[in-house]
Amino acid sequence: QSALTQPASVSGSPGQSITISCTGTSSDVGGYNYVSWYQQHPGKAPKLMIYDVSNRPSGVSNRFSGSKSGNTASLTISGLQAEDEADYYCSSYTSSSTFFGGGTKLTVL
Amino acid sequence: EVQLVESGGGLVKPGGSLRLSCAASGFTFSNAWMSWVRQAPGKGLEWVGRIKSKTDGGTTDYAAPVKGRFTISRDDSKNTLYLQMNSLKTEDTAVYYCTTVLYHIGYMDVWGKGTTVTVSS
Repeated sequence: QSALTQPASVSGSPGQSITISCTGTSSDVGGYNYVSWYQQHPGKAPKLMIYDVSNRPSGVSNRFSGSKSGNTASLTISGLQAEDEADYYCSSYTSSSTFFGGGTKLTVL
Repeated sequence: EVQLVESGGGLVKPGGSLRLSCAASGFTFSNAWMSWVRQAPGKGLEWVGRIKSKTDGGTTDYAAPVKGRFTISRDDSKNTLYLQMNSLKTEDTAVYYCTTVLYHIGYMDVWGKGTTVTVSS
């Protein structure tokens, strides 16, 4: 499997909503619900924000939501806050591998 | 407290070897599937490989760029994960993270802070 495709950057103003897309194929994103999203602040380790396409781990704000349509998964962040500024990576896995999207830099204007 | 602490990073010449360690605490290490993920400077995340628990066979899987050069192993008596890196290339320069699936089946949800490997002459 090749890396998943994400936009390099997105931006939004505080309080707005933004959506980050993650495009794969019918062999990964489109074929299974094994999609997750990670948030990474500069110099920090990634943090799991969404798993199984749309589930939030305990402690993750409900401003973060995930969805999928066909071969494209999406992460939506509503009510943007300054602390949401970070890099976001989508990910999927198979029985023998895990792969990531190229990452999207979110700028909060 | 659940914790993963990587060590062993440093500067190594191309063609050289290095072994990274990851000390785990706060959970039953022997039951955990453990992975290594790396991030080159200014680049995205790249999965390196994984080792299953011995209960699940203890087998390993690797990403294509490191297969045949890197070896993942574990010592359950020491709660420690290892990454033996041989025939290092400049493109292996990265922060290497140790990670595990603990609370959400199939997903790496606990991460260490990472250790930096620089391959340069």
